[in-house]
Amino acid sequence: AQSVTQLGSHVSVSEGALVLLRCNYSSSVPPYLFWYVQYPNQGLQLLLKYTTGATLVKGINGFEAEFKKSETSFHLTKPSAHMSDAAEYFCAVLYGNNRLAFGKGNQVVVIP
Amino acid sequence: DADVTQTPRNRITKTGKRIMLECSQTKGHDRMYWYRQDPGLGLRLIYYSFDVKDINKGEISDGYSVSRQAQAKFSLSLESAIPNQTALYFCATSDGTGGRDTQYFGPGTRLTVL
Repeated sequence: AQSVTQLGSHVSVSEGALVLLRCNYSSSVPPYLFWYVQYPNQGLQLLLKYTTGATLVKGINGFEAEFKKSETSFHLTKPSAHMSDAAEYFCAVLYGNNRLAFGKGNQVVVIP
Repeated sequence: DADVTQTPRNRITKTGKRIMLECSQTKGHDRMYWYRQDPGLGLRLIYYSFDVKDINKGEISDGYSVSRQAQAKFSLSLESAIPNQTALYFCATSDGTGGRDTQYFGPGTRLTVL
């Protein structure tokens, strides 16, 4: 069965510090992986995705993620946090019939 | 204008009432989805539709029904609302090309059942 694990429901990071959000998945087929961001009172916005090819994927707002098959991971990083990065972040894996299985999310708080 | 719209954006209702949430899209996508979001649980799939005549249950369809009135419209109904259906509901669409594709989300409907 497909599943996604995101540890740490709340993540605090200082402004200017590295943002690291961990995502591990299970999938019975080569995975398509996504990170979505949800700003307060808004819907989900696609941050980046991995389908095939290059394992380091760059997204919007300076975020990137690396697909590591051997570790079944797709961790999200940003070198320097900005106050505007405060949001909830979801990792998701695509499975049968184009359905998405989501992790439980990480609420990121940026400390000035 | 937004590509995926949801109405209403907020709704408060009472136990036992029938509620319909509506989703419309101008992206021209064939596939549409309904999810609910609960704090600490992420998003879970309620129903999905690949075209007007194709409706499928997701992982948590009990207590819900859907109607795909047209390619661009997909409605979610709660026939008799109960308090544990209080949640944030999202509609999403995808274009279906290649069989595995990106989903795009609407702004959500916050539903409170008293």
